[in-house]
Amino acid sequence: DAGVIQSPRHEVTEMGQEVTLRCKPISGHNSLFWYRQTMMRGLELLIYFNNNVPIDDSGMPEDRFSAKMPNASFSTLKIQPSEPRDSAVYFCASRTHAGGASTDTQYFGPGTRLTVL
Amino acid sequence: QKEVEQDPGPLSVPEGAIVSLNCTYSNSAFQYFMWYRQYSRKGPELLMYTYSSGNKEDGRFTAQVDKSSKYISLFIRDSQPSDSATYLCAMRSHSGGGADGLTFGKGTHLIIQP
Repeated sequence: DAGVIQSPRHEVTEMGQEVTLRCKPISGHNSLFWYRQTMMRGLELLIYFNNNVPIDDSGMPEDRFSAKMPNASFSTLKIQPSEPRDSAVYFCASRTHAGGASTDTQYFGPGTRLTVL
Repeated sequence: QKEVEQDPGPLSVPEGAIVSLNCTYSNSAFQYFMWYRQYSRKGPELLMYTYSSGNKEDGRFTAQVDKSSKYISLFIRDSQPSDSATYLCAMRSHSGGGADGLTFGKGTHLIIQP
């Protein structure tokens, strides 16, 4: 199993540019989470999907952020336009959604390190 | 007040020592408690999982939850240099849907000196 795959691993862009981060969850997992990690705020949940449907996007900081999950094997997080304060490591995680405590393990990808100049 | 408080450290201890890591939280609805380990420039990985109050042991690791005090702990016995990492506590409430996102502490940076 390849685990959760994220691309790109590093992204450097200039303020105002559009940024798209990509995630491929573990095959068979039907919940997907996007997190952002900074030194100041730690690891924060941005949005999560169950069966490709967005369930809770209350963590998305503002309208410049959007996320989609067109199918069970792919999700994107887009920032448009990007700002320097968006610089962070963005993690994608996936898990099986079966409603029971035994399936609560979230598997994290390696993250995308975003720098906005 | 943040929902989950965790001392960022760094916490430096000699090899073989017992390590105690802690988090406090304010949301009494939290029922599922986890500890994740994160190595530098890697994603977090689940280390321990506990439901409600009580203790859970797995090898050198013991997780404790005291819901009455809203306090959780992770103990590492016979600490090794390979245990050097950032340890994040995480928790979530119960919901019928089941797949809630997690609320994390900021993490404690642990250094085990050889």
